[in-house]
Amino acid sequence: QKEVEQDPGPLSVPEGAIVSLNCTYSNSAFQYFMWYRQYSRKGPELLMYTYSSGNKEDGRFTAQVDKSSKYISLFIRDSQPSDSATYLCAMTNGGSQGNLIFGKGTKLSVKP
Amino acid sequence: ETGVTQTPRHLVMGMTNKKSLKCEQHLGHNAMYWYKQSAKKPLELMFVYNFKEQTENNSVPSRFSPECPNSSHLFLHLHTLQPEDSALYLCASSQVRASVGYGYTFGSGTRLTVV
Repeated sequence: QKEVEQDPGPLSVPEGAIVSLNCTYSNSAFQYFMWYRQYSRKGPELLMYTYSSGNKEDGRFTAQVDKSSKYISLFIRDSQPSDSATYLCAMTNGGSQGNLIFGKGTKLSVKP
Repeated sequence: ETGVTQTPRHLVMGMTNKKSLKCEQHLGHNAMYWYKQSAKKPLELMFVYNFKEQTENNSVPSRFSPECPNSSHLFLHLHTLQPEDSALYLCASSQVRASVGYGYTFGSGTRLTVV
């Protein structure tokens, strides 16, 4: 079983839709969870960061972590064409030698 | 433009060539990373430098050789590559190794094609 599983998509939605992106993981030691956004021909950029379980909201974006189910989600409300990108989840146990473990990324396209 | 600059943006090289990728950051970060990004695969960590010292080599073939002369610069020297090495090579930096609060800052990558 891979450490982090993420459906690569592609996912296509109409403008204004609510988007749900998800990752599952197997390592119960993970405590820090991140979502990165990667536009075409660019490197990933940090979008959201969450520690342990719970929700975090930032504008149209909400990150959820359910450690009991080893499941994390990113919700995008009122999606815009500018949200079209690849979204990568990443996580780590936070130790001094811990590395970020990434999912494959989900390619999202928001159609006007 | 991000705080991490990678050059060149694109590189085509033959299997017998020697080339180098360059990464530069002026964010005051002390940790730098090389990642390989291939289609439909997760980002693969290749090398980690923390305060200019290599702290991790993730079982990378010897045809890839990193160099970190100072905390602001990172190189990846390439020689006798294989076609399967074609990928996007990303450089990243963070305040310190495994810094989670502010994440990693990535460059835009070098798209490498081995012919």
